[in-house]
Order: sequence, then structure tokens, then C-alpha cells
Amino acid sequence: DTEVTQTPKHLVMGMTNKKSLKCEQHMGHRAMYWYKQKAKKPPELMFVYSYEKLSINESVPSRFSPECPNSSLLNLHLHALQPEDSALYLCASSQPRAINTEAFFGQGTRLTVV
Amino acid sequence: GQSLEQPSEVTAVEGAIVQINCTYQTSGFYGLSWYQQHDGGAPTFLSYNALDGLEETGRFSSFLSRSDSYGYLLLQELQMKDSASYFCAVGANQAGTALIFGKGTTLSVSS
Repeated sequence: DTEVTQTPKHLVMGMTNKKSLKCEQHMGHRAMYWYKQKAKKPPELMFVYSYEKLSINESVPSRFSPECPNSSLLNLHLHALQPEDSALYLCASSQPRAINTEAFFGQGTRLTVV
Repeated sequence: GQSLEQPSEVTAVEGAIVQINCTYQTSGFYGLSWYQQHDGGAPTFLSYNALDGLEETGRFSSFLSRSDSYGYLLLQELQMKDSASYFCAVGANQAGTALIFGKGTTLSVSS
């Protein structure tokens, strides 16, 4: 199984809502990542978890709150988002120190903030 | 910080060879990766170079020159299905696994 599964695939939320994005992998990877991708732009790194501990936070606003409950799951909790936060949110996983550093990406959650 | 430069668009015909260049500036270098992304799809890994030289994987090859802060992706025997965005990326952590992506090159392959 070389899949990273993200749910939901699409999400529309109001600026006062609280929602969560979920990501799951069963490849035994001990590093997981959240990226944000706007249309026609590259993915932008948001958070890195290594061995279930947050190791990189790329100065992301506090309205985005990551959580790694175990080695297979990664969540992104959303609260009081702005319309400019509308984007594709991609989860990825890899070995923390892979020889070829291949990262496996999920299909993403397309988020629209209204 | 890190920055990467790559051409925004490349066009080619089926069967041709295309080279996508990438120059980078990083505070610490942890390898250069290449990813492909089709419209509406997830980025998928193509190649990785940690050391100078050429890595070959089927129709795709990647090259790195650390002294020149330069790499390229070479795509041979182009097929229509190769039409996609191609991103070079550098590692943001010592494992090289947290990626900072270039702006991407849109490759259009015509028949």
C-alpha cells in the first residue's frame, strides 16, 4: 500500500466554522507533512512532523493547528479562516531519513472559505 | 532561505527530448528533487540527486552540479501523457524530505 489518503476531498466552510482535515498512511513512514497549494502555484510547506513531533512550522498562522495523534495519522484543524486560505491542502509522508527522500502525496483536500 | 528558478513553460512534440533547468540558492543543501504534477492530481516523485552527476530512471534523468547550484531534468521520448507541471525542490531539513518547491515548469507535449 503506497497510498496517502486524505479526507474530505472537498470542503466548504464559513469564516466562523471549525473543521478538520485528515490524512492517513500505512507505509510505516515516520515523517508527515502539510503543504498548501494555490492554483498555478507550487506546493508551500506548512508543517513537518518527524516521529510524531512537530519539527518544522513554516510561520503558519495560528488559525491552522496541526496534530499527529499517531504514526499513521495527521490532522489539520482549521478555525476562523479567511477567504485567502482557500487552496488545495496536500498531505505527504516519507521516511524521516530516506535514502532517496521520496515523498508520497495524497490527492489533497480542496478547501473553499466563504 | 531558499529560492529556486526554473522556466515557466516548455513546449515540445511527441518523441522529442526536453531539458528543464533549475538553479537554486539555499542556506544549506540537502539534495535536489523533481516532482511531476498533472492537473488536478497529486505531485509524484520522479528523481533525487544528493551528489553531483546524472541519475537515470527510465525515460527520465536528472543531473546535479552542486558547485554551480544547478540541476536539470531530462525527459526523453516524450509522450502526450508527459504534459504536466514539473517542479524542482530542495530539502528544507537535513533529511532532505521537507521540500521547498520551485515555481514549476508547465510542459505541453503535442502530436
